[in-house]
Amino acid sequence: EAAVTQSPRNKVTVTGGNVTLSCRQTNSHNYMYWYRQDTGHGLRLIHYSYGAGNLQIGDVPDGYKATRTTQEDFFLLLELASPSQTSLYFCASRGDSYEQYFGPGTRLTVL
Amino acid sequence: SQWGEENLQALSIQEGEDVTMNCSYKTYTTVVQWYRQKSGKGPAQLILIRSNEREKRSGRLRATLDTSSQSSSLSITGTLATDTAVYFCATALTSTGSNRLTFGKGTKFSLIP
Repeated sequence: EAAVTQSPRNKVTVTGGNVTLSCRQTNSHNYMYWYRQDTGHGLRLIHYSYGAGNLQIGDVPDGYKATRTTQEDFFLLLELASPSQTSLYFCASRGDSYEQYFGPGTRLTVL
Repeated sequence: SQWGEENLQALSIQEGEDVTMNCSYKTYTTVVQWYRQKSGKGPAQLILIRSNEREKRSGRLRATLDTSSQSSSLSITGTLATDTAVYFCATALTSTGSNRLTFGKGTKFSLIP
């Protein structure tokens, strides 16, 4: 079974702060995704990647950068965090099937 | 139904009863996936139904797909306490190969104590 881990699990920062969320998958999947989950909106795609060095824009990319350093590691960067970015963030990976495997999530609070 | 401007839907029934959740989608899709998210966890795929299928079964789960009305349903027979979760449908545009998923807002399912 695919293993996707995220760190940190919880993060509190202040407005204007710098935050990096990390995701690692250990099943050699090509695709990795970053989502945010908010009540009333479901899951929304921020950025995704199909391999090291590749980055694709999702549906809600404003205020976020991402970088895929290796096949295993995908990072989400918030360089000037705002309260509107308070959310639950999920990373997911996908291999050759349609199924996406999700990590446990990171809860981010921007004060 | 999960799509459009509806808020998160909520369903509560007695344990042992059957439940059906509905989902409508806006654009053409090659597959509909149903995911379940338990409290404090990430979503996990339950069942996938392709555009050329009308029905798919897996254990106590049954998914249907009607491409003419752009709608899908997920039924659970003989509900158990372990079925308590939020259920999402997701559609995939696979033409680009990225399998970008668009998720519905979800249906929160719980049992009446």
